[in-house]
Amino acid sequence: ELKVEQNPLFLSMQEGKNYTIYCNYSTTSDRLYWYRQDPGKSLESLFVLLSNGAVKQEGRLMASLDTKARLSTLHITAAVHDLSATYFCAVGGPGGGADGLTFGKGTHLIIQP
Amino acid sequence: KAGVTQTPRYLIKTRGQQVTLSCSPISGHRSVSWYQQTPGQGLQFLFEYFSETQRNKGNFPGRFSGRQFSNSRSEMNVSTLELGDSALYLCASSGDRSGSSYEQYFGPGTRLTVT
Repeated sequence: ELKVEQNPLFLSMQEGKNYTIYCNYSTTSDRLYWYRQDPGKSLESLFVLLSNGAVKQEGRLMASLDTKARLSTLHITAAVHDLSATYFCAVGGPGGGADGLTFGKGTHLIIQP
Repeated sequence: KAGVTQTPRYLIKTRGQQVTLSCSPISGHRSVSWYQQTPGQGLQFLFEYFSETQRNKGNFPGRFSGRQFSNSRSEMNVSTLELGDSALYLCASSGDRSGSSYEQYFGPGTRLTVT
């Protein structure tokens, strides 16, 4: 059974600081996703990582994937208040394509001025 | 291009009733997946449909069922509702499995409350 663990689950940080969210998963997968969810809203896709060593960046967010370690990271650089949200990582099943995703429990991020 | 749409957005039902939720994927997408989100269990995969066929199913009881129509629109049905079925139900659409599109685009969700 595929398991996905995120840490930390809660994170309060100050604007301007850097931090990293970690996502570990238990079995081989070819797809790793990062999503953002604002309160009462749906999921917004941030990144899809498909290969070992993949790195993607968008604004102050950068995601990376190490398939050998079964680890992905989401790094936040010089955080701003607008990045406050819950961040989920999700891993695709071994069947490839659009199989159901297994989600981590989410990291609730609060960025304080 | 229009995004994923879900109807209704909010629903209140009574225990024992049944409910049907609808999802229209992005035009051209043939895969629709359904997820349940609750504070206790988080986001859980329900099932996935592709070209009117259920390809994958999560670990949910048989009270949860779905179908997909020839235009790729999908419905999910929950029979004999229980209080624990109160959740945000999200559907996601994605492109052809054989292609390079692994992206899953989520709809706004249907908030179901069972009383």
